[in-house]
Amino acid sequence: DQQVKQNSPSLSVQEGRISILNCDYTNSMFDYFLWYKKYPAEGPTFLISISSIKDKNEDGRFTVFLNKSAKHLSLHIVPSQPGDSAVYFCAASEGWDGGATNKLIFGTGTLLAVQP
Amino acid sequence: EAGVAQSPRYKIIEKRQSVAFWCNPISGHATLYWYQQILGQGPKLLIQFQNNGVVDDSQLPKDRFSAERLKGVDSTLKIQPAKLEDSAVYLCASSRGQGAGEQYFGPGTRLTVT
Repeated sequence: DQQVKQNSPSLSVQEGRISILNCDYTNSMFDYFLWYKKYPAEGPTFLISISSIKDKNEDGRFTVFLNKSAKHLSLHIVPSQPGDSAVYFCAASEGWDGGATNKLIFGTGTLLAVQP
Repeated sequence: EAGVAQSPRYKIIEKRQSVAFWCNPISGHATLYWYQQILGQGPKLLIQFQNNGVVDDSQLPKDRFSAERLKGVDSTLKIQPAKLEDSAVYLCASSRGQGAGEQYFGPGTRLTVT
């Protein structure tokens, strides 16, 4: 059972344009969401997160939007740069601090290619 | 600050052989995680340590996988005997606390079982 889904295996955008990566989840107990970026032969790197009490979090060129009723979140990158080309993983947890193990459940990833 | 270190980076073994991976987390990080990432999938948590105690090993195939974190710092993950389906990248991560906040990942060990 895939609790976190990234239905687009790949996405190609032009440099300077907006990249929108989508993620859907099924577990209504998830209340903390993260995006990780992964380059080849490297481990994932934390990018941005959002808790369920918010619907938007912004950090420079990166913005994450959360729609709890639709169980959907998205990552917007504006403007996109060639160095953003990587695999992006969406992850979710039932608790962001304290509580149970708060383990992360990852999606399958979306490969973003930013064309110069 | 030094990142999470893992070794070896690559390992090729035959099925039924054993293999061990090593991880050194970021200094001061109490929580250590081992993930398995099969090609085309996202990382899947195998085991989580808080200091030297196991917090979650519900997805660890305990008949063949074992892990330890002696003295609450370095950790080793062992597979014995290996199966073809164990071919994957094994990622180690660490975080300051037990919350699902930012986890820092190492580069991973790519295991190929033939």
